[in-house]
Amino acid sequence: SQQGEEDPQALSIQEGENATMNCSYKTSINNLQWYRQNSGRGLVHLILIRSNEREKHSGRLRVTLDTSKKSSSLLITASRAADTASYFCATVPSGSARQLTFGSGTQLTVLP
Amino acid sequence: DVKVTQSSRYLVKRTGEKVFLECVQDMDHENMFWYRQDPGLGLRLIYFSYDVKMKEKGDIPEGYSVSREKKERFSLILESASTNQTSMYLCASTLGPNSNQPQHFGDGTRLSIL
Repeated sequence: SQQGEEDPQALSIQEGENATMNCSYKTSINNLQWYRQNSGRGLVHLILIRSNEREKHSGRLRVTLDTSKKSSSLLITASRAADTASYFCATVPSGSARQLTFGSGTQLTVLP
Repeated sequence: DVKVTQSSRYLVKRTGEKVFLECVQDMDHENMFWYRQDPGLGLRLIYFSYDVKMKEKGDIPEGYSVSREKKERFSLILESASTNQTSMYLCASTLGPNSNQPQHFGDGTRLSIL
């Protein structure tokens, strides 16, 4: 069963703008992770935020987590054409040590 | 860097065939996973393994089996391929039982069943 749901399903922005993607999930979690997938390739891990954390940064990426609302957001600042990809959130449910449950993803297009 | 290698990028098979998808990781990871990815459905877990000869069902195991005879290799088997198994298959691995570890993915195998 899908745990995370991303919103929007597709996003198109101009280079230099910020991109925000949201993820909602249903059950309590150990952590939430964001992954990126370039067309026709595997997923690449971007950032992991634990359930007791509220915000995390990595380069141009900023992730927030609101466990009371069961939601997370991924912000990409100063986007580049090379950021064009699909972005997935994935959750590790509480009590599960290894399994990730993925959402259906947001397709981000950054126009040059 | 961890490298997860899937044996084929593209594969075309016929209905009823037995199909093997192979995955190898080079970093002595304990856990390995098989997902399928379909448009609008995200990634769905088929099977995973946390040790040699150990396997656990994921969310959609029907029609599939797996084999893990060696720590570095995890094989997905379609016992009798059907057209609804046409999909992108992704293999992943993680180091150990700690849940706060990222998964490392291969580049996927796009399987078409005719």
